[in-house]
Amino acid sequence: QPVLTQSSSASASLGSSVKLTCTLSSGHSSYIIAWHQQQPGKAPRYLMKLEGSGSYNKGSGVPDRFSGSSSGADRYLTISNLQSEDEADYYCETWDSNIRVFGGGTKLTVL
Amino acid sequence: QLQLQESGPGLVKPSETLSLTCTVSGGSISSSSYYWGWIRQPPGKGLEWIGSIYYSGSTYYNPSLKSRVTISVDTSKNQFSLKLSSVTAADTAVYYCASLLYNWVDYWGQGTLVTVSS
Repeated sequence: QPVLTQSSSASASLGSSVKLTCTLSSGHSSYIIAWHQQQPGKAPRYLMKLEGSGSYNKGSGVPDRFSGSSSGADRYLTISNLQSEDEADYYCETWDSNIRVFGGGTKLTVL
Repeated sequence: QLQLQESGPGLVKPSETLSLTCTVSGGSISSSSYYWGWIRQPPGKGLEWIGSIYYSGSTYYNPSLKSRVTISVDTSKNQFSLKLSSVTAADTAVYYCASLLYNWVDYWGQGTLVTVSS
């Protein structure tokens, strides 16, 4: 089954942009993933589904500041014009034969 | 828009069975587009998928938990349920129910903390 690798932490300044990475394991580079955001003390929230082509579909109410892209086995979440409420944990998710896995999450700090 | 709400005991004794129910509103649990799942998060840690179910009753479980997990669906009540047997302190976590649109989680419940302690 696939394994998803994420950096444990990232930081960026208020109003700037940040690009978070989720890397698929060998042999799974074409897989679709989903990105989720978990603000402190809250349940996760679905952000988008992201294909290997770079095409993405966002969930209801997700701001335009959030976008996705892909390169090989890497799946990216870019957040533009960072706001304080973007400080959160970000998880990627994928699946194979009805077995699903999550990445370890990236904690984003907005400076 | 789908809404999901977990319910069940917040405290379970070691070796007993954890039981939770998820009530779905804003849509039918019998929708052919959806699976329904349980995901947990130990305090301060990441997300772990427990298992998923289709309205027909087909189930898929995390291999690491498969021997202890049962997920069932009640279409008449628009609910699905989780049972986790022989719990230990390692099963202490926030348990989330979720809807899976075709394959990915698109809506999450608010989560419920279950503590395993005597």
